[in-house]
Amino acid sequence: EPEVTQTPSHQVTQMGQEVILRCVPISNHLYFYWYRQILGQKVEFLVSFYNNEISEKSEIFDDQFSVERPDGSNFTLKIRSTKLEDSAMYFCASSDRAGANYGYTFGSGTRLTVV
Amino acid sequence: GESVGLHLPTLSVQEGDNSIINCAYSNSASDYFIWYKQESGKGPQFIIDIRSNMDKRQGQRVTVLLNKTVKHLSLQIAATQPGDSAVYFCAENRNGDNFNKFYFGSGTKLNVKP
Repeated sequence: EPEVTQTPSHQVTQMGQEVILRCVPISNHLYFYWYRQILGQKVEFLVSFYNNEISEKSEIFDDQFSVERPDGSNFTLKIRSTKLEDSAMYFCASSDRAGANYGYTFGSGTRLTVV
Repeated sequence: GESVGLHLPTLSVQEGDNSIINCAYSNSASDYFIWYKQESGKGPQFIIDIRSNMDKRQGQRVTVLLNKTVKHLSLQIAATQPGDSAVYFCAENRNGDNFNKFYFGSGTKLNVKP
């Protein structure tokens, strides 16, 4: 079964440092997403991406965050200057179509720890 | 308001029993719902979905019930197995959201005792 692959599985970084979280979506998917889950809390939407641009973003996704699809296979989330409160699991997801009534496939996540 | 916290509600059941996990949603514009299962160290995994024009949908060993009047969703798992132990989230998609932005509930931890 096709999978969404995320690397690394765990990243520790110092506050103020830049981090890049990497995702390889399912190959024929066209819609890409990042969600995050702070420990013990809900999974929260960050951003959706289609046709090489952001489709929608949440209030969490401020100017410290950016996404990029640098080539035909990778989809990255960059946090420019990490804060302690950025510590969370970050999940990438992809789907082959948009609109309501379609779920998508999540990756296993990257645990980001900011110290 | 949203409920946040470090402690998930936990449902403990005996292997072989049926499990019922509940979820309340607040937005009447929500028209599509998914139940996700999240095992430790993994991402959410799709279990079953339901559209707002239905009140019941069945899958293999799972049934989702939707009560739009009281904005309540439930997941029933028949003959619960140890492999069902996980955190279960309901997620809603709101009418008018052009892309698949889902709002997740707080989650319920299911603990299956052998």
